[in-house]
Amino acid sequence: GQQLNQSPQSMFIQEGEDVSMNCTSSSIFNTWLWYKQEPGEGPVLLIALYKAGELTSNGRLTAQFGITRKDSFLNISASIPSDVGIYFCGVKSGTYKYIFGTGTRLKVLA
Amino acid sequence: GAGVSQSPSNKVTEKGKDVELRCDPISGHTALYWYRQRLGQGLEFLIYFQGNSAPDKSGLPSDRFSAERTGESVSTLTIQRTQQEDSAVYLCASSLTPTVNTEAFFGQGTRLTVV
Repeated sequence: GQQLNQSPQSMFIQEGEDVSMNCTSSSIFNTWLWYKQEPGEGPVLLIALYKAGELTSNGRLTAQFGITRKDSFLNISASIPSDVGIYFCGVKSGTYKYIFGTGTRLKVLA
Repeated sequence: GAGVSQSPSNKVTEKGKDVELRCDPISGHTALYWYRQRLGQGLEFLIYFQGNSAPDKSGLPSDRFSAERTGESVSTLTIQRTQQEDSAVYLCASSLTPTVNTEAFFGQGTRLTVV
């Protein structure tokens, strides 16, 4: 079935460092979404991307929708301890079904 | 309500018992989804409701799983004769009528533990 590959699976970084993670697919998708999930909570939408090549920022977060429509990356600048969590990429398959990657687990060392 | 609300937050049940999980979507959201998240895993699609249309049940893992939704309101996910492998966080999400430019918003989940 359709699958999203996220990398890295997990990462430990120092506070203040920039972080980059990405999400790839073998299929083309027209909507790419990035969510963050903190322990004991549901995923929260960070950024939504609808146009190939689109670069969108939300505070210290920047995400891009790859020009091939088969990938996306998320960057976090100047990380802080509260950035800890699991970051999921998601795509919309067809008109309504969302498919998610397995997540990138981020831990920030103060 | 302001966001997607799920209850209970946590549920511990004995193997073989039935459980019911509830989801209150965001007001005005016609689409409702259930996902399962096993420990350390991603989000696994279970079922989708859109208005009064027939639901997409393609993700339900077995006939022990069922879900209902009346109109555009509350949904319940029922697991009969629970097994230990059913232990997971069950997440509900809702969205406006799906088009290309809509996003899903999640509740906080119900953590189910089958002992």
